[in-house]
Amino acid sequence: GAVVSQHPSRVICKSGTSVKIECRSLDFQATTMFWYRQFPKQSLMLMATSNEGSKATYEQGVEKDKFLINHASLTLSTLTVTSAHPEDSSFYICSATPARGRKTGELFFGEGSRLTVL
Amino acid sequence: KQEVTQIPAALSVPEGENLVLNCSFTDSAIYNLQWFRQDPGKGLTSLLLIQSSQREQTSGRLNASLDKSSGRSTLYIAASQPGDSATYLCAVRPMNYGGATNKLIFGTGTLLAVQP
Repeated sequence: GAVVSQHPSRVICKSGTSVKIECRSLDFQATTMFWYRQFPKQSLMLMATSNEGSKATYEQGVEKDKFLINHASLTLSTLTVTSAHPEDSSFYICSATPARGRKTGELFFGEGSRLTVL
Repeated sequence: KQEVTQIPAALSVPEGENLVLNCSFTDSAIYNLQWFRQDPGKGLTSLLLIQSSQREQTSGRLNASLDKSSGRSTLYIAASQPGDSATYLCAVRPMNYGGATNKLIFGTGTLLAVQP
């Protein structure tokens, strides 16, 4: 149980285009999901907290107009990288914690999405 | 500000050895600490979660300990296997972070290579 799925796993796009990444909790409901970014050989950095039915909370230094987050249901959050540039190329990982049940408080991660902006 | 450090950054051991990975954090006000495994180009797999009131957790060949007062955690892997090769990350869920309480602060990771 507690599976988180991300799609797509890899995406290559041209500079200036927008890319949407989906994060789904497959077997549990999550009122909160988190989006992380990981550069090569570095640890994960929290970008934003996605709250179901309300606005996302962004970490300091993260542009909310560039990284649009939507959490329209208890099982789906999306991250849209708008007007992507090569410096946005990175590994994006989402995580979620069950809203209720035995595993509440434990974070489960998706497989990640590798974004390459040409 | 909570900071999480992992030592060593990289470790190479022969198959069958027992090994210990270290994680330290600067602020003892945490809800829990979680150990993850990350394979190259993949997401994170949760290995063990230790609540702040617990001292250790075990799962198979893995044992994680937590000493909150000293800001330390260790991940012990018994009888290591080549399939254990991966990056191991520890993360703490801090109390003093404001907003959502499920935020995690990650360490820098330990890259483990188990040689057959």
